[in-house]
Amino acid sequence: QQQVKQSPQSLIVQKGGISIINCAYENTAFDYFPWYQQFPGKGPALLIAIRPDVSEKKEGRFTISFNKSAKQFSLHIMDSQPGDSATYFCAASYRNDYKLSFGAGTTVTVRA
Amino acid sequence: DTGVSQDPRHKITKRGQNVTFRCDPISEHNRLYWYRQTLGQGPEFLTYFQNEAQLEKSRLLSDRFSAERPKGSFSTLEIQRTEQGDSAMYLCASSTWTSGRGATDTQYFGPGTRLTVL
Repeated sequence: QQQVKQSPQSLIVQKGGISIINCAYENTAFDYFPWYQQFPGKGPALLIAIRPDVSEKKEGRFTISFNKSAKQFSLHIMDSQPGDSATYFCAASYRNDYKLSFGAGTTVTVRA
Repeated sequence: DTGVSQDPRHKITKRGQNVTFRCDPISEHNRLYWYRQTLGQGPEFLTYFQNEAQLEKSRLLSDRFSAERPKGSFSTLEIQRTEQGDSAMYLCASSTWTSGRGATDTQYFGPGTRLTVL
């Protein structure tokens, strides 16, 4: 069964707008939550990651918000650019083995 | 650092044939992971190695699948008697795993091998 649920499946945003992608998990043993960006024909590339001891992490235009009690985390892409058009995956793993459980992905299209 | 490389990038085969994929990880990365990604889905874990030891295999990895990592360097994934359901992108990732508090394991993915079984 899918251990990480991701929504929406796709979204369209205007250039300069904010893209928000949400993920939820059930297993409280997860303690590492990365987001990956994937372009067509390429492998996923790590974008930003967070651990449950912080509620927010920001790197440039990308911010992860983490709600441990709700078992949810989200990715915010500020000032979205056409080059951000890609598929984004949330993931989760355990500290001891780090194999990643991925969400189903969100395809983001940024319209110029 | 040349990144993770995978070969071939594309493979078309007929049902029942055997195929083998190769992954060359980033130099000195001690962990190597294999994932499978079908269209419209996120990657699913198949197996991983720490150095040359295969530490875990997913239930997705049937007896027809075998993976090796001789000498803890490159890895191969073999699928015997391929079935149409094996059609997918096979992704390899590598990382430098460190233990202890604050341990990290950033996984760097290769471009994948797209398998099509006719």
